Amino acid sequence: GQNIDQPTEMTATEGAIVQINCTYQTSGFNGLFWYQQHAGEAPTFLSYNVLDGLEEKGRFSSFLSRSKGYSYLLLKELQMKDSASYLCAVMDSNYQLIWGAGTKLIIKP
Amino acid sequence: GAVVSQHPSWVICKSGTSVKIECRSLDFQATTMFWYRQFPKQSLMLMATSNEGSKATYEQGVEKDKFLINHASLTLSTLTVTSAHPEDSSFYICSARILAGDSYEQYFGPGTRLTVT
Repeated sequence: GQNIDQPTEMTATEGAIVQINCTYQTSGFNGLFWYQQHAGEAPTFLSYNVLDGLEEKGRFSSFLSRSKGYSYLLLKELQMKDSASYLCAVMDSNYQLIWGAGTKLIIKP
Repeated sequence: GAVVSQHPSWVICKSGTSVKIECRSLDFQATTMFWYRQFPKQSLMLMATSNEGSKATYEQGVEKDKFLINHASLTLSTLTVTSAHPEDSSFYICSARILAGDSYEQYFGPGTRLTVT
């Protein structure tokens, strides 16, 4: 079967760095997405990785290793507004999105 | 975990025809379902929110007569794209929300890719 695993919840301190991991097993691979979702709002696109390596975008970076079925989202210089759920989703060979359950990130002062 | 399915996963239709997309929560009852539209490498755009048995609430700029939403039961919502045009070609994603304890959990469907020729 297809599945995406990511931690349910993480806690970090304002100003620190946090890494949210995502492992996947899917039938085919056409890219991995990271989204941020604040409570009551639609998910916001953060990154898309289809090739191995690290993609940096401001305070957020996303890494992909296709051979390991692994990705992480790295958030630096954490701010209180980064408290949200972070969703990992993989597009499979049929261009269907397989969603992780999301990681709730709690930022403490 | 909770599963949300969509049918069809891929549909091609001719301009001017209508197409219906189903969204089902397979092992839970969803009080609320959402319909999103996704543009490549962009955020999900919320189109409408529907509660079982009541009319959907559409976001600003979304034509309710063009995108008909029916939420007939706690496990099924449908989106009908009427008189489809090529600009309606997109990836449509539904999501179902349930109340878990004193907080909400939201689960997303795999999406339906619509191509209008």
